[in-house]
Parts: sequence; C-alpha cells; structure tokens
Amino acid sequence: DGGITQSPKYLFRKEGQNVTLSCEQNLNHDAMYWYRQDPGQGLRLIYYSQIVNDFQKGDIAEGYSVSREKKESFPLTVTSAQKNPTAFYLCASSISATSGSNEQYFGPGTRLTVT
Amino acid sequence: GQSLEQPSEVTAVEGAIVQINCTYQTSGFYGLSWYQQHDGGAPTFLSYNALDGLEETGRFSSFLSRSDSYGYLLLQELQMKDSASYFCAPRNRDDKIIFGKGTRLHILP
Repeated sequence: DGGITQSPKYLFRKEGQNVTLSCEQNLNHDAMYWYRQDPGQGLRLIYYSQIVNDFQKGDIAEGYSVSREKKESFPLTVTSAQKNPTAFYLCASSISATSGSNEQYFGPGTRLTVT
Repeated sequence: GQSLEQPSEVTAVEGAIVQINCTYQTSGFYGLSWYQQHDGGAPTFLSYNALDGLEETGRFSSFLSRSDSYGYLLLQELQMKDSASYFCAPRNRDDKIIFGKGTRLHILP
C-alpha cells in the first residue's frame, strides 16, 4: 500500500522536553510538509521541503526544527522553545510543490499533549 | 498580504444542496483547491480549479472566478457522511497551499 504514515498517534511529554514526530511516505513524492492544527482552527504551515536536503520555514516555524535526509522521511522536532506545543500535527506530501494542483496527501496526524 | 474568508458554519438538510463560498487574497495565485476533513481525521483532497468555471466530480462541484478572487464548493444530494469541515485552499506563487479556518458543515436528518 502506498501512503503516508505518522507515528505515534498520541504523544505526551513534559514541558521542557524536545520531542520528535515521525513522518514517512512511500509515494515517491518530492515535496513534504508539516502543519499544525489547533481546535476549531485551520492548518498552519510549519516547515516544508521541496526536495531532499532542502527545506524552508513556513508561517510558524519558531520553536520547531526539521530534517530531510531521505526522500521518504521528514521528521519534525518540537523543541522546548515552542511556547504552546500542544496541538494536532499533520504531515503531508505532494508529487511536486510546483506542478498542477499541488494535491497534498495527509498522514493520520499526531496529537501532541505537553503538560 | 494574504487573507481567506469562508463561513465558519453551515447547516443543511440531508438530500439538499449546499454551497460553501470562499474569497481569497494571496501573493500571486495559481489555483484553488478544496479539502474535506472529518473530526479527528486528516484532510483529503476534493478538487482543484486553475481556470474560471465549474469543475464537477460526482456529487461535488467547485467553481472559480479569478477576476473576483472567489470560489465555491457545491455539494448535492447531501448525505450524513458529508458532515465535516471543508477548507478552501488557494495556491500562491511560492507554491504553498494556504489553508483557512474552514467551514464546518452540519447535516440534519
């Protein structure tokens, strides 16, 4: 099955700890994205990557970091500098950020709770 | 700047037709997508309009007017499973998709 996976589904951390969210895709997509969604809100772009070994900040990158060492993988680290990290995190991929509709395929999401 | 407006909530009756409007302002514009998201789930792609006019996909249709920076999603023969949030999402010149807060659609039996 081709798809995009995120793990874990639920994650709990203590304040002050860094935490890394996993995102893997086997769709052979070039572009990958991380979004944050708060209750009743839309999706806000954290980071995106159009190609391996390259990534750009989105609208709310502060307190987050990413890497793109492999085409299939785009992990997101939520650092202790992120002031309000509790949220639903969604990873997405698309064939290419520059072509057509840039239709994005989303993973099931990770719900992070920091106390 | 960038802005995106769509109604926060819409209510309709099962079997009816509903239209969800969207107006946008982006730094450059390539096209408008629509996504559906059920509670607790991930967004799924519904449609994309790059040119003016109506695109039909089964019970769902999407319309775009580039000159008016306006689009809408039309859902026909509403079913209870259509209860979800719907996001209009313009693609800007940086190749980013901009997601707004979405419209929550309630279907009454």
